[in-house]
Amino acid sequence: EAAVTQSPRSKVAVTGGKVTLSCHQTNNHDYMYWYRQDTGHGLRLIHYSYVADSTEKGDIPDGYKASRPSQENFSLILELASLSQTAVYFCASSDRGRNQDTQYFGPGTRLLVL
Amino acid sequence: QQKVQQSPESLTVSEGAMASLNCTFSDGTSDNFRWYRQHSGKGLEVLVSIFSDGEKEEGRFTAHLNRASLHVSLHIREPQPSDSAVYLCAMSMDNNNAPRFGAGTKLTVKP
Repeated sequence: EAAVTQSPRSKVAVTGGKVTLSCHQTNNHDYMYWYRQDTGHGLRLIHYSYVADSTEKGDIPDGYKASRPSQENFSLILELASLSQTAVYFCASSDRGRNQDTQYFGPGTRLLVL
Repeated sequence: QQKVQQSPESLTVSEGAMASLNCTFSDGTSDNFRWYRQHSGKGLEVLVSIFSDGEKEEGRFTAHLNRASLHVSLHIREPQPSDSAVYLCAMSMDNNNAPRFGAGTKLTVKP
């Protein structure tokens, strides 16, 4: 079965500090995504990637950077964490192709910025 | 950018009664629709994927897609208390657009 793992599973960060969230997939998928989830907003797309060494901005990229050093790994970087970035972050991967384009989600990372 | 609206925000049904959830989207160019379930504090579980107008059934879960009406729905037959969760719809364009999600419907199933 497809597997997406995230680390850490939870984190407490200080305002202004740097935070890196990591995602690893063993699905051999080309596409990877980062979403954040806040109460009342569902999931909102931050960044995504179609291929290693390339990332694309999603709908809410401000304050976030992404890095895709390999097909398996996709990181989300908060250079200067802010209170408003407290949320649950989900990573996902998916294969190419319309009928195979099911997204497989990781378990989420709960981030609290104080 | 595709806009996705879900209704109702919350829904309470009795065990065994049909539950119906709705999702509308802003334009008809999407061709890839999915319903997910998320139990409290957990990740996302895909329930049904539908790619063409009509109906798609996966066990007790049935999705109906009508692109002309910009609408996709989810019907849960004989819901159980364990189906209590947030239900999310997501849609995207083939290959070129990452899926966008609605805000979710919180379903409570009372015994």
